[in-house]
Amino acid sequence: KAGVTQTPRYLIKTRGQQVTLSCSPISGHRSVSWYQQTPGQGLQFLFEYFSETQRNKGNFPGRFSGRQFSNSRSEMNVSTLELGDSALYLCATKQVAGEETQYFGPGTRLLVL
Amino acid sequence: QKEVEQNSGPLSVPEGAIASLNCTYSDRGSQSFFWYRQYSGKSPELIMSIYSNGDKEDGRFTAQLNKASQYVSLLIRDSQPSDSATYLCAVNSNTGGFKTIFGAGTRLFVKA
Repeated sequence: KAGVTQTPRYLIKTRGQQVTLSCSPISGHRSVSWYQQTPGQGLQFLFEYFSETQRNKGNFPGRFSGRQFSNSRSEMNVSTLELGDSALYLCATKQVAGEETQYFGPGTRLLVL
Repeated sequence: QKEVEQNSGPLSVPEGAIASLNCTYSDRGSQSFFWYRQYSGKSPELIMSIYSNGDKEDGRFTAQLNKASQYVSLLIRDSQPSDSATYLCAVNSNTGGFKTIFGAGTRLFVKA
């Protein structure tokens, strides 16, 4: 069974631009969570989607948004990029919301110049 | 106080020794606890989960949970250089909505 895939793997943007990242879950997985990982803050929860609905949201500004499609694929969008948004963005998927075990994708490394 | 705290390390142990990684958490209502391993440049992978007080063993890995002390640990026996990685402690919390909270991670170096 194929694992979690994320595209693109690497991105370079400039301040003020926006970016869209994509996550395709393992077949049968309907829950997708997004995380931001930086050396200073570690792995921080952004939001979780299940059945096209956002179930929970972390403490990030409204510039960070997401959505989930009927095939469970998810996208996250960051508008008006700031230098501090440079990070590894990871998605993790589970079969159902609340299930314990989640599987991470390889991540998208975003550099904001 | 951070919700999940870990010593950032680095923790350095010789090959064959026992590596001991520790984690404390603040939410007394937490019921599920996880250890992830993350190699440099890679994504985290789950290595252990524990839900009840006591020890849980899986091969060279033993997770220990003490809910009264809000403490969870990971022991790695017969440490190998391939165990060199960052180990992330994660806790499921239902406060303010169900989510998984990660510690900042402990870097482990196993010297050959």
